[in-house]
Amino acid sequence: EVQLVESGGGLVQPGGSLRLSCAASGFTLSTYWMSWVRQTSGKGLEWVANIKEDGSEKYYVDSAKGRFTISRDNANNSLYLQMNSLRVEDTGVYYCARGGLDWGPWGQGTLVTVSS
Amino acid sequence: AIRMTQSPSSLSASTGDRVTITCRASQGISNRLAWYQQKPGKAPKLLIYGASSLQSGVPSRFSGSGSGTDFTLTINYLQSEDFATYFCQQCYSYPLTFGGGTKVDIK
Repeated sequence: EVQLVESGGGLVQPGGSLRLSCAASGFTLSTYWMSWVRQTSGKGLEWVANIKEDGSEKYYVDSAKGRFTISRDNANNSLYLQMNSLRVEDTGVYYCARGGLDWGPWGQGTLVTVSS
Repeated sequence: AIRMTQSPSSLSASTGDRVTITCRASQGISNRLAWYQQKPGKAPKLLIYGASSLQSGVPSRFSGSGSGTDFTLTINYLQSEDFATYFCQQCYSYPLTFGGGTKVDIK
């Protein structure tokens, strides 16, 4: 069974950092693009970033450029999102999802709360 | 960025009804459109990709159509488990963008 399990969310102050992780199982991670998508009260569903199978290409939504970094470790079946300079508007549920341009399946999500 | 506009934002329907949800792109996206279903507290689930291709495991009462700027998701013979929120998403160009969602609830 394909499974994606996110972790690393939590409460952080504005300007702080978090590193999200996504553990993949039930499929060969190295053969799929992978993505992070978030759901916020302000913007609804929003694609954040994606990364090619071998990590050689990465794309970001404008609001994440320069602050977030997507990466992967295929040997350890893991996807990551390093988030720096966090803002209140980054608050939401962050999902990892299999695929580059459309996504299935998704993980259960991890909640990120940016608040002072 | 390509703006995706869904209508209606909500609708009430009964089990057995046929439901149609519309999604319009602010510019042509060929057939590069996906539909998702989301239930409260759960992650979105891919229903349709390529505007009309049914994702494996999704019941055949779901169908998608359209090309260019106008797209439709149809649910034939609505079942109790179909009451949820539905989102369209364009995968034509970056940034990848979603519609605002259509909530389908019980009449």
